[in-house]
Amino acid sequence: KNQVEQSPQSLIILEGKNCTLQCNYTVSPFSNLRWYKQDTGRGPVSLTIMTFSENTKSNGRYTATLDADTKQSSLHITASQLSDSASYICVVTTYSGAGSYQLTFGKGTKLSVIP
Amino acid sequence: NAGVTQTPKFRVLKTGQSMTLLCAQDMNHEYMYWYRQDPGMGLRLIHYSVGEGTTAKGEVPDGYNVSRLKKQNFLLGLESAAPSQTSVYFCASRSGANVLTFGAGSRLTVL
Repeated sequence: KNQVEQSPQSLIILEGKNCTLQCNYTVSPFSNLRWYKQDTGRGPVSLTIMTFSENTKSNGRYTATLDADTKQSSLHITASQLSDSASYICVVTTYSGAGSYQLTFGKGTKLSVIP
Repeated sequence: NAGVTQTPKFRVLKTGQSMTLLCAQDMNHEYMYWYRQDPGMGLRLIHYSVGEGTTAKGEVPDGYNVSRLKKQNFLLGLESAAPSQTSVYFCASRSGANVLTFGAGSRLTVL
């Protein structure tokens, strides 16, 4: 069964500090992995996408890594800001053939950045 | 470019009442989805559509029906609402393997 596990469930950090969120998956065959940011009361918004051949990808202060061998991804946030407070969701896509894709969602990590 | 628009944003129902949530997208996306999000559960797929006139069941389809009569619209119906259907509902659309674009959500409370 395809599964995506995220850790920690929640995290509180001080403004200006760095943090790393983890995503482990047992999805096969792998197509891509995305990290989404969901602000309270809003829909998720894509931060970054990782394909099989990519190890690292940055989007401003967000850096995602992917280890396809161990089926792990991380999202590193540098110099956190209060606006980083949100839930971060890992989503892995599999290709089922005939143009059909399946998405498996993690439960998310709730990040709180405090002054 | 509005993206994905959900209506209504908030709704309170009594047990047994019916209602329809409307999702509209203006990106010409083939795929559309309805998810529900509950505390500690993450996003769970209710129903989805791979194109106009098609629908399919997701992970938690019971108690819901959907229709995709037009490519840009995906309707989610509750025929007889139950308190267990109190949740935040998100519609999303995508094209191929591209990114999911989510609506802002519809918060439903069933008393």
